[in-house]
Amino acid sequence: AQRVTQPEKLLSVFKGAPVELKCNYSYSGSPELFWYVQYSRQRLQLLLRHISRESIKGFTADLNKGETSFHLKKPFAQEEDSAMYYCALGTGRRALTFGSGTRLQVQP
Amino acid sequence: DGGITQSPKYLFRKEGQNVTLSCEQNLNHDAMYWYRQDPGQGLRLIYYSQIVNDFQKGDIAEGYSVSREKKESFPLTVTSAQKNPTAFYLCASNSGTTIDNEQFFGPGTRLTVL
Repeated sequence: AQRVTQPEKLLSVFKGAPVELKCNYSYSGSPELFWYVQYSRQRLQLLLRHISRESIKGFTADLNKGETSFHLKKPFAQEEDSAMYYCALGTGRRALTFGSGTRLQVQP
Repeated sequence: DGGITQSPKYLFRKEGQNVTLSCEQNLNHDAMYWYRQDPGQGLRLIYYSQIVNDFQKGDIAEGYSVSREKKESFPLTVTSAQKNPTAFYLCASNSGTTIDNEQFFGPGTRLTVL
């Protein structure tokens, strides 16, 4: 069965520090990986997906099939990055399997 | 803020009552989903529907029911059989095509059992 693991419930960094939100997955097929973000009082929204290989708001994520990971990275954190981040795995049934989420706090 | 809407925003239920959460989308999406969000557990899939008049159970379907009579609507009923219904419920949709798996989410409904 597919599973997504986000080992950190809370990640607290200072403004300007690098950020890495960890995500590991288990799935026997060809994975589609996503990062979703939920800012305070806003709805859950897509941040980025591995197939597009793009950088959104300075965030990047590389799919590492050998390590079954899809870590989210940003070189310099900003206060407005504070939010709840969810890693998600897309499988053949068209629904997403979500990790438990990591709350990122960026302190001034 | 169009696209996908949920109502009500807050819902209170007495034990033993059934309640229905509304989800509507005007994105012309074929597929719709219901997730439950609990602190520390992320989102868990309750039911999903890939086409009108068809739906499948997700990982935690017990105590819930759905219908999909119209493409734009996917209501969720939380029945009295659901042992721990207090949670935040999220509805989502996507185009259902094989080339685009991005899901669009509604603002959510917070259900509290009194």
